[in-house]
Amino acid sequence: ETGVTQTPRHLVMGMTNKKSLKCEQHLGHNAMYWYKQSAKKPLELMFVYSLEERVENNSVPSRFSPECPNSSHLFLHLHTLQPEDSALYLCASSLQNPSGQGIYGYTFGSGTRLTVV
Amino acid sequence: GNSVTQMEGPVTLSEEAFLTINCTYTATGYPSLFWYVQYPGEGLQLLLKATKADDKGSNKGFEATYRKETTSFHLEKGSVQVSDSAVYFCALHNTDKLIFGTGTRLQVFP
Repeated sequence: ETGVTQTPRHLVMGMTNKKSLKCEQHLGHNAMYWYKQSAKKPLELMFVYSLEERVENNSVPSRFSPECPNSSHLFLHLHTLQPEDSALYLCASSLQNPSGQGIYGYTFGSGTRLTVV
Repeated sequence: GNSVTQMEGPVTLSEEAFLTINCTYTATGYPSLFWYVQYPGEGLQLLLKATKADDKGSNKGFEATYRKETTSFHLEKGSVQVSDSAVYFCALHNTDKLIFGTGTRLQVFP
């Protein structure tokens, strides 16, 4: 266990379904992230939350909707996904210093393997 | 801008062989550098890090030295094991972003 817990580990959903991915950390970190990992592609940073405010949204389609209700929890709400959205979705957290730098690295969860059918 | 370039894999080695995975970076300012490892079916785990020039990060027999003059952070291990088979990611952290390389798959055979 890394201290970052993602649920579910595996998810199969139809293109018309609505589902949510959950991420939880109790490491005292103040920033959380969603990454997408597709086969044979670099890790893609999707969203960044720092102190519960979304500070980055890397041109992610609106069918992905993040939510960060507090510094320990992060959600990714999914609706009307496409088959090409099938991937491993990784959550991470970090401790940023006041200048926004994170010198400690990120702690990752084990990921949610999403399959869209 | 900031970027990380890693050697393409897969790297295939016999057990007890010497490992080098090359990583070079481009960055403004003074980034921190990291190696992450991803075992099959799992997320990424921090393997080692270095936060300033000439620092050497080490863990589980792996080492990497932050070389500012060559903008490199090559990963080395003197004697690999089958259990080291995984994907290795080089990354740099600058301001609020962690930027990854594309990953290098290591396969170690007995």
